[in-house]
Amino acid sequence: SQQGEEDPQALSIQEGENATMNCSYKTSINNLQWYRQNSGRGLVHLILIRSNEREKHSGRLRVTLDTSKKSSSLLITASRAADTASYFCATTDSWGKLQFGAGTQVVVTP
Amino acid sequence: EAGVTQFPSHSVIEKGQTVTLRCDPISGHDNLYWYRRVMGKEIKFLLHFVKESKQDESGMPNNRFLAERTGGTYSTLKVQPAELEDSGVYFCASSQFHSRNTYEQYFGPGTRLTVT
Repeated sequence: SQQGEEDPQALSIQEGENATMNCSYKTSINNLQWYRQNSGRGLVHLILIRSNEREKHSGRLRVTLDTSKKSSSLLITASRAADTASYFCATTDSWGKLQFGAGTQVVVTP
Repeated sequence: EAGVTQFPSHSVIEKGQTVTLRCDPISGHDNLYWYRRVMGKEIKFLLHFVKESKQDESGMPNNRFLAERTGGTYSTLKVQPAELEDSGVYFCASSQFHSRNTYEQYFGPGTRLTVT
C-alpha cells in the first residue's frame, strides 16, 4: 500500500505561477522527503523535512509538514518550464527504505 | 565525485528473455536500493542491500527477479524470464548513514526496460 499519496495527480500551470501539491501519509514518520523526476531522467532529491519541523525552504521550494494531519505540501514559486516533471513525496522506514506516493505530474507552459 | 550509475539506460527485450541491470553506487555507500516505476504509477521499493547482504527484499515481485551485490560494490538485478508487466523504469539508489533515521538517497538515472 502507498505510504504517501499526492494530490493533485496532475497540474498544469503557466510560467511564473505557483504550483502547490499535497501529500498525505499513513504512519508515523521521522522525516518526509520530496523528489522530482524529469521525463526520462532519474530521481532528484529536492528537500527533506524532519518530523519536528513545520516548514522548510530551499530556493523556490517551500515545504510544510503537519504531523497531526499526516500531510505535507510542496510549493514551487515562480515556476519555470524546467520545473515540468513528476514530483513525489516519500517517507522512510528505519532502514532508509523509501515509500513513495503516486506522484503529481506538473506541466509548466511558457 | 561520480554519482550513481546504471547500465543500460534502455533495454528492449522480448517476453521470455533474460535481462540483467547493473547499478554502481557512490563509492563508500553501504546502502544500495532498487526501486521501479511501472506504467507511470508509483515508485515501488524492490530491495535493499547493506554492503553485500540483503537487508530487505520484501518488494521483489516474484522469483523471476534475482538481485546480487557481490563484494558489496556494484549490484545486478536479473529478470528471468521477463514478462510484459516487468516493463518500467528501474531505479537504483545508494546512501550512507548520516544520522539515525535521516538518509538521503542518491538516485541513478534509471534503466528503462521494455518487454515486448
